[in-house]
Amino acid sequence: QKEVEQDPGPLSVPEGAIVSLNCTYSNSAFQYFMWYRQYSRKGPELLMYTYSSGNKEDGRFTAQVDKSSKYISLFIRDSQPSDSATYLCAMSDNNDMRFGAGTRLTVKP
Amino acid sequence: DTEVTQTPKHLVMGMTNKKSLKCEQHMGHRAMYWYKQKAKKPPELMFVYSYEKLSINESVPSRFSPECPNSSLLNLHLHALQPEDSALYLCASSPGLGINIQYFGAGTRLSVL
Repeated sequence: QKEVEQDPGPLSVPEGAIVSLNCTYSNSAFQYFMWYRQYSRKGPELLMYTYSSGNKEDGRFTAQVDKSSKYISLFIRDSQPSDSATYLCAMSDNNDMRFGAGTRLTVKP
Repeated sequence: DTEVTQTPKHLVMGMTNKKSLKCEQHMGHRAMYWYKQKAKKPPELMFVYSYEKLSINESVPSRFSPECPNSSLLNLHLHALQPEDSALYLCASSPGLGINIQYFGAGTRLSVL
């Protein structure tokens, strides 16, 4: 079993749809939970991070962490073609950061 | 300002060349990282510097040599690379190892001929 599991997709949705991206993990020591957006041939851009459990909202993006279930989610409302990218979940403790495989998302006009 | 700057953006080198990748951050972060990323894969950790000291070396071949001249700069010296080393090389920084929220640069796309 991988330490972080993320469905690689690809995921294709129409413009305006609500997108749900998810990751599960096995290491209960993880404290920080991050979502990165990576456009083709570019570096990962930190979208949101959460410390421990809870929800965080930033514009059209909502991140949720459920430590009891070891499950994190990213919701994108009113998705736009410019949201088309690979989304990487990542989680870390003091010494280590682990990435999911990344989900390729395409938002079609 | 949450910017990590990497230069050059692109690099083509032969197997006998020596080149360096550079990374700079001015966020006051005390931990800096080098990653290698192949197409359609997540980044793979290579090195970690904490307070300008090498903290982690993930069994990277000696043809990759990191250097941290000061708290804002990180270099990766390259020598006698192989074609399979062609990849996107990413630099990241975080406030510290205890606050492991990493900010990435745009990367250097390296091609080894």
